[in-house]
Amino acid sequence: EVQLVESGGGLVKPGGSLRLSCAASGFTFSSYSMNWVRQAPGKGLEWVSSINSSSSYMNYVDSVKGRFTISRDNAKNSLYLQMDSLRAEDTALYYCARSAEAGASLSHFDHWGQGTLVTVSS
Amino acid sequence: DIQMTQSPSTLSASVGDRVTITCRASQRISSWLAWYQQKPGKAPNLLIYKASTLESGVPSRFSGSGSGTEFTLTISSLQPDDFATYYCQQYNAYFPTFGQGTKVEIK
Repeated sequence: EVQLVESGGGLVKPGGSLRLSCAASGFTFSSYSMNWVRQAPGKGLEWVSSINSSSSYMNYVDSVKGRFTISRDNAKNSLYLQMDSLRAEDTALYYCARSAEAGASLSHFDHWGQGTLVTVSS
Repeated sequence: DIQMTQSPSTLSASVGDRVTITCRASQRISSWLAWYQQKPGKAPNLLIYKASTLESGVPSRFSGSGSGTEFTLTISSLQPDDFATYYCQQYNAYFPTFGQGTKVEIK
């Protein structure tokens, strides 16, 4: 069974940093692109970042470029999101999601974690 | 980037009703469209991909159609478990983008 478990969320002041983690199990992690998708309280879904299986390609939504860094450790079956210079508008539930099509640069998402909450407030 | 617009934003329906949700893309996306269901406090759940392919385990009352810029999600006979918010998502170009969501409420 595919499982994705996020951690690392919490309350942080504007300008601060957080590192989110996603522990994957139940599939060959090194074969799939992975993603972070966020959802602000009471709002819709917003894709944040993707990384391909070999870490040779990363992509970000414009609003986080230069502030967030996605990475992965295939030996540890883990995905990460380093979040720097956090703003109030980054407050959201952050989901880890697997790209359904192994090897595709763009894909739909077939498995999601339960999310980790990031709150940016003074 | 590609903008996705869903209509309606909210839909009130009764158990047994046929329900249709529309999703329009700001440019052609071929059939690279997915639909998700999200219940309160839960992660989204994939229903349909490639516009009309039903994800394994999803009830057959759900169906998707369309290509290019206009797509629909249809629930043939609404069940109590179907009251939720539904999102479309394109994965054709640039980066993935979602519609704003359609909340299906009990009438």
